[in-house]
Amino acid sequence: AQSVAQPEDQVNVAEGNPLTVKCTYSVSGNPYLFWYVQYPNRGLQFLLKYITGDNLVKGSYGFEAEFNKSQTSFHLKKPSALVSDSALYFCAVRDIGRSTSGTYKYIFGTGTRLKVLA
Amino acid sequence: EAQVTQNPRYLITVTGKKLTVTCSQNMNHEYMSWYRQDPGLGLRQIYYSMNVEVTDKGDVPEGYKVSRKEKRNFPLILESPSPNQTSLYFCASSWGAPADTQYFGPGTRLTVL
Repeated sequence: AQSVAQPEDQVNVAEGNPLTVKCTYSVSGNPYLFWYVQYPNRGLQFLLKYITGDNLVKGSYGFEAEFNKSQTSFHLKKPSALVSDSALYFCAVRDIGRSTSGTYKYIFGTGTRLKVLA
Repeated sequence: EAQVTQNPRYLITVTGKKLTVTCSQNMNHEYMSWYRQDPGLGLRQIYYSMNVEVTDKGDVPEGYKVSRKEKRNFPLILESPSPNQTSLYFCASSWGAPADTQYFGPGTRLTVL
């Protein structure tokens, strides 16, 4: 069965330090991977996605993510954290399976709360 | 402004009283979806729709109904709400291709007493 795991409920990092938010996935076909961010009392906002090609994906607000097929991981990274990056981060996968019509289900992880300390 | 709107934003109701949460998008998106967000469980997909009159179940469809009579609207219906449906609900839309980004509404916080 398809699944997404975010093993850390919370990640604390000092402002200016690099940050990593982990995500691993399990799908039957080729994965389409996404990261979304949720600020307090707001809906989710898109950060970045992996479709195919370069394993390092760059996204909004200085975030990037590294796709690793052998480890089935898609970790979110930022070289220098800001206090304003504090939010809830979700990893998601859309598995189009092996059929041409695919599936339009999305699977989200449980979320990781990032706290950047001043 | 391109957006997904949901109404109401907050709702407190009682067990068994039918309710509808509306969702509307102004981007002419073909794909729309409903999620619920619960602590420790992340977002779980309830129903999605590929286009007008085309809907399908997500991972947690029990106790919910949807309809897609117009492209822009995708209401979520709880025929007989129960306390375990207390949650934060999000509507989302996208063009529909596998790699398309979803645009999310602001959320509806539902409490069922």
